[in-house]
Amino acid sequence: QQQVKQSPQSLIVQKGGISIINCAYENTAFDYFPWYQQFPGKGPALLIAIRPDVSEKKEGRFTISFNKSAKQFSLHIMDSQPGDSATYFCAASIRETSGSRLTFGEGTQLTVNP
Amino acid sequence: DAGVTQSPTHLIKTRGQQVTLRCSPISGHKSVSWYQQVLGQGPQFIFQYYEKEERGRGNFPDRFSARQFPNYSSELNVNALLLGDSALYLCASSSPRGANTGELFFGEGSRLTVL
Repeated sequence: QQQVKQSPQSLIVQKGGISIINCAYENTAFDYFPWYQQFPGKGPALLIAIRPDVSEKKEGRFTISFNKSAKQFSLHIMDSQPGDSATYFCAASIRETSGSRLTFGEGTQLTVNP
Repeated sequence: DAGVTQSPTHLIKTRGQQVTLRCSPISGHKSVSWYQQVLGQGPQFIFQYYEKEERGRGNFPDRFSARQFPNYSSELNVNALLLGDSALYLCASSSPRGANTGELFFGEGSRLTVL
């Protein structure tokens, strides 16, 4: 199974609030879990990433929580700002003998109201 | 430093035609990957090339092909275009370490519309 499931599809948060996006995966061979941020008309940009041997990683206002036994991981955006309004994608990579590929979730459109 | 550059940015084709999309990776990056992003969905992996060799291929028909040149730039070709090929085609490059971890740097994409 290569699928990564992401929820919610859309999310509206007030400025200063916490945005939470969840992802679940099936393939236990996945060994790297990045989050990408995409603004309209732009390509995805790497936001933060985590490996399965770590349960949490924080970079500024962005935190990834990882639950290996549940095969779930989530992105928390603290003190959400209108500039955070974008589409967020979780992803997973699987290490193969000759490289890797990213399997993306369906995306979450985040709107932060001022 | 320049990021990943793609051309053309927009193009319109008709069914049955062929299209070539081009990508220049970040300087020093030897791996290039191609993704298809249909409107409202996440990107889907098409190809990965490293040091001019194909390293991975996604679940796409043989109408899709790609190659990487000695300067590490890449082309994606799609033959016999179908309406369903309408999408944003993204190119991503990665450093030797990033090629095995998913640390990809994406370009802004080529928006293909098939009529």
